[in-house]
Amino acid sequence: GAVVSQHPSRVICKSGTSVKIECRSLDFQATTMFWYRQFPKQSLMLMATSNEGSKATYEQGVEKDKFLINHASLTLSTLTVTSAHPEDSSFYICSARQGAKHEQYFGPGTRLTVT
Amino acid sequence: GENVEQHPSTLSVQEGDSAVIKCTYSDSASNYFPWYKQELGKRPQLIIDIRSNVGEKKDQRIAVTLNKTAKHFSLHITETQPEDSAVYFCAATAMGYGGSQGNLIFGKGTKLSVKP
Repeated sequence: GAVVSQHPSRVICKSGTSVKIECRSLDFQATTMFWYRQFPKQSLMLMATSNEGSKATYEQGVEKDKFLINHASLTLSTLTVTSAHPEDSSFYICSARQGAKHEQYFGPGTRLTVT
Repeated sequence: GENVEQHPSTLSVQEGDSAVIKCTYSDSASNYFPWYKQELGKRPQLIIDIRSNVGEKKDQRIAVTLNKTAKHFSLHITETQPEDSAVYFCAATAMGYGGSQGNLIFGKGTKLSVKP
């Protein structure tokens, strides 16, 4: 149980275009989903927290108009990187939590490369 | 806010030896402390966690200890094997009633290498 999928696993896009990343909880209802960014050999940096049906809460320094998050259902959250630039290239990972449970389960991540 | 410090940043051990990774946290309200293992290019996987109402938890070769007074917690891996090689992250969070809080704050990670 507690499986989280993420799609796509890798994406290459041109500078100025937008990219959408999907995060799905496959066997549980994810009331809360989290989006992280991870640079090579570094830790996980929380970008935003989203609760189903509510607006996402962004961490300080994360541009909400650039990183659009939608959590439309209890099994799906999306992250759209708008007008991507090379500095947005990174490993983006989502995680999901069910209700009041403590555990967070991570998706496999999406490697974004902006050329 | 919460701040989590993790040491060492790299750890190399011989197969069969024990490995210990230590973390400290700053927020006394934190009450949930998970440990994640991340292999290169893969997702972090929850390997063990501990809540503030217990001092130690063990799962086969892995154990976690928590000292609330000193605000530190440690991961212990015994009889290490080459497949234990990975980056390990500790994290801390304050879980409120009904899961109202709970943003995990991660340490910077420890790269564990187990030499055969």
